[in-house]
Amino acid sequence: QSALTQPASVSGSPGQSITISCTGTSNDVGGYNLVSWYQQHPDKAPKLIIYDVSKRPSGISNRFSGSKSGNTASLTISGLQTEDEADYYCCSYVGSIWVFGGGTKLTVL
Amino acid sequence: EVQLVQSGAEVKKPGESLKISCRASGYSFSSYWIGWVRQMPGKGLEWMGIIYPGDSDTRYSPSFQGQVTISTDKSISTAYLQWSNLKASDTAMYYCVRASTIRGDPFDSWGQGTLVTVSS
Repeated sequence: QSALTQPASVSGSPGQSITISCTGTSNDVGGYNLVSWYQQHPDKAPKLIIYDVSKRPSGISNRFSGSKSGNTASLTISGLQTEDEADYYCCSYVGSIWVFGGGTKLTVL
Repeated sequence: EVQLVQSGAEVKKPGESLKISCRASGYSFSSYWIGWVRQMPGKGLEWMGIIYPGDSDTRYSPSFQGQVTISTDKSISTAYLQWSNLKASDTAMYYCVRASTIRGDPFDSWGQGTLVTVSS
């Protein structure tokens, strides 16, 4: 099972919106509405920010949103803040196993 | 409050064995799946495997099948990740994670990580 494909890096200015893509296949991203996204700050454990493609856990800002079209899922962060600077990972269920994307480094300029 | 507390950093030599732990609290340990995720230095997350403490049903990523062993001790609400023959390439941070079901639920809680260094 290959890792999902994410851009290595994205950047944006405070207040702007950015979108991170996560491309898989019909066997993973396209086959299930079970994509989740995790935020990881340097030297910290990852944190769940989106699950089931577009749902937010309690306590996660509504500036974070998720969507999916075909074999590609997307994470959008609106109203960028400096504290959003982190690594972001998508993750898809693949029938009793999971696969992560390679990760995207978000820089807030 | 759900908490996953992992054992401390380890420094080992190639060929040695190792067992790291993840102690759960704040929920019914036997009713949730516990998994492990690897992060090699400067790299991304890799899902390794997962176990259901209730009946020890265990699933492994094909990449890690036969390379590690996942187990639990329900009596002390603790999950383990074990190696019998460490390699330098096992040097990484290892996180334990919790999932509600095996049917694609997200990893809603993460341990703080255990750094494993394998060097001669």
